Amino acid sequence: RKEVEQDPGPFNVPEGATVAFNCTYSNSASQSFFWYRQDCRKEPKLLMSVYSSGNEDGRFTAQLNRASQYISLLIRDSKLSDSATYLCVVNRFSGGYNKLIFGAGTRLAVHP
Amino acid sequence: SQTIHQWPATLVQPVGSPLSLECTVEGTSNPNLYWYRQAAGRGLQLLFYSVGIGQISSEVPQNLSASRPQDRQFILSSKKLLLSDSGFYLCAWTPLDRPISGYTFGSGTRLTVV
Repeated sequence: RKEVEQDPGPFNVPEGATVAFNCTYSNSASQSFFWYRQDCRKEPKLLMSVYSSGNEDGRFTAQLNRASQYISLLIRDSKLSDSATYLCVVNRFSGGYNKLIFGAGTRLAVHP
Repeated sequence: SQTIHQWPATLVQPVGSPLSLECTVEGTSNPNLYWYRQAAGRGLQLLFYSVGIGQISSEVPQNLSASRPQDRQFILSSKKLLLSDSGFYLCAWTPLDRPISGYTFGSGTRLTVV
């Protein structure tokens, strides 16, 4: 089982739609969670951290369910510019150090 | 402000040739540094990380090695490239005191081994 699992998509949605991505992680000891955005052939960029109480940044809302080891990202009022791959990320503590483990990503395509 | 530089942007190398990719960070001291690889259509795989000069930890056994000769310089190397080494190589950093804050990535090197 992969440490971080995501539906690869693609999610094809019209402009203005609301779309939700889910992610599950296997390490119950993980304590830090993020969503990254990666445009085609570019480096990943931090979209937002995910907090236990849930958090919102404009049109983006992230939720964490520790009991189910589940993370979600909701995008409201989708824009063409939201088209990208969204990576779910959790930390792993091993060998005395923390590292970030990335999911393979969910691809979003927003069309006119 | 802090910036991270990675070069070259693209590289085409024959099988069996050596490799050296360089990453430097500016505007900070004692960063945690990381090398990741992303194969086509796959997720990011952590290759190496470093918490200080000369301190390198390897995540997976492979044909690659890493070195940190200076505080803000991180180098990925190979003596003999394999076809399976093709991929998108990304360097990233985090502040020393916030190792699990969000990473900042360099712009990456797209390596094709032919």
